[in-house]
This record gives sequence, structure tokens and C-alpha cells, in this order.
Amino acid sequence: KNEVEQSPQNLTAQEGEFITINCSYSVGISALHWLQQHPGGGIVSLFMLSSGKKKHGRLIATINIQEKHSSLHITASHPRDSAVYICAVDLNTGNQFYFGTGTSLTVIP
Amino acid sequence: DGGITQSPKYLFRKEGQNVTLSCEQNLNHDAMYWYRQDPGQGLRLIYYSQIVNDFQKGDIAEGYSVSREKKESFPLTVTSAQKNPTAFYLCASRRRTGERSPLHFGNGTRLTVT
Repeated sequence: KNEVEQSPQNLTAQEGEFITINCSYSVGISALHWLQQHPGGGIVSLFMLSSGKKKHGRLIATINIQEKHSSLHITASHPRDSAVYICAVDLNTGNQFYFGTGTSLTVIP
Repeated sequence: DGGITQSPKYLFRKEGQNVTLSCEQNLNHDAMYWYRQDPGQGLRLIYYSQIVNDFQKGDIAEGYSVSREKKESFPLTVTSAQKNPTAFYLCASRRRTGERSPLHFGNGTRLTVT
């Protein structure tokens, strides 16, 4: 049983399309993180949120604590957005995270 | 620029050998983590450390060992007791545990054991 579920697992989009990646979780959390992993393997933190919505450039992240659901949106997608996007939840204990298995995004020019 | 440095990027070992993966951070973070990533699975926690000279087992600690003698360094040793050591290993840090702050990751070490 996965405490964090992401969908879709794989996503292919045309450049310029609006993209949504979903994350559902089943545990109590203090925060949710969206991470980006490029083919080389390194991971970058995109957002950390505990309520509402955050925006950074073309990326928007939202969270609904009552429904235990978060979405990551990419507007005007670009080939450089091609990466694996990982949802992670920060448990209330503060010591551990649960990670989703990731969504592999490919944006075609 | 502050960050986490993992070395080497690729590591090859023969079965039965111990191997140590390096992780150094200059972010002045208290908390450091080691994760293992396998295809189709989420990151799994091997060990974490909240402070110098202290560390705790994660979900898959068997066959691994760590030390935290300095704040900036958290090396991971993959011992011969680890039954399936071939994987991608990621080191991470955050300011301190129990505080909502972003995770910072290194670029990872890909270990292949044959």
C-alpha cells in the first residue's frame, strides 16, 4: 500500500500544452513537497506547501488538505520541462517523508 | 553556492566488497538523509541523522551503515550484507527535523555491484 499515489505515471505533451499532475495521500502531513528529477538523477525542490496555492513562473501547485490531494500544473509547457515530478509528504513527526513513485513527463517540440 | 555534493557519480564494485558513498553539505543543515531509489518505486529511507553523532535507522537499514562525525558529512557504507545493493543512492538535507523546510538533494551515486 502506497501512502502517496501519483497520476498519471507517464505523460507526453506537445509544447505549449497545459499539464496537470495529481497527488493523493492517506496520512496526516505537515507539508507536501513537489520535486523535479532530471535524467541525470539530481532532484530539485519546486514547492513546499501546507495550504492553498503557490506559483513560481509557469508552475503552480495547489493543495486541498481536507481532500488530501495536491496538483502540480505547468502552463505553456516546454521541452525543458521534461523530467520526473515527484510528490512527497512531510509527516507530522517531522523525521520522515513518504514519496510517490513519480510522473515521467515528456514535452515534445 | 551552497549545496550537497555526492561522490562518485558512478561506482562499480564486486560482490562481497564494502563500499562507501560520500555526502557533503555546506548548507549548515542539521538533518541529513540517505535514500535509495529503484525503478518504479518511491524513494526509500535508509538512515537519517538529526544532529552530529546521532543517527537513526530508516525503513531499509539492513546491510547499510552510516556515521555523522561532522555536521557537513554523512557517509553511507554499503556492506556485503546488503542483498541487493545495485541502485541509485541520494543524499538529502534540511535545516532541521521537525521544522517545515525544503529538502535539498545531491546529484546521486549510481552503484552497480556484480
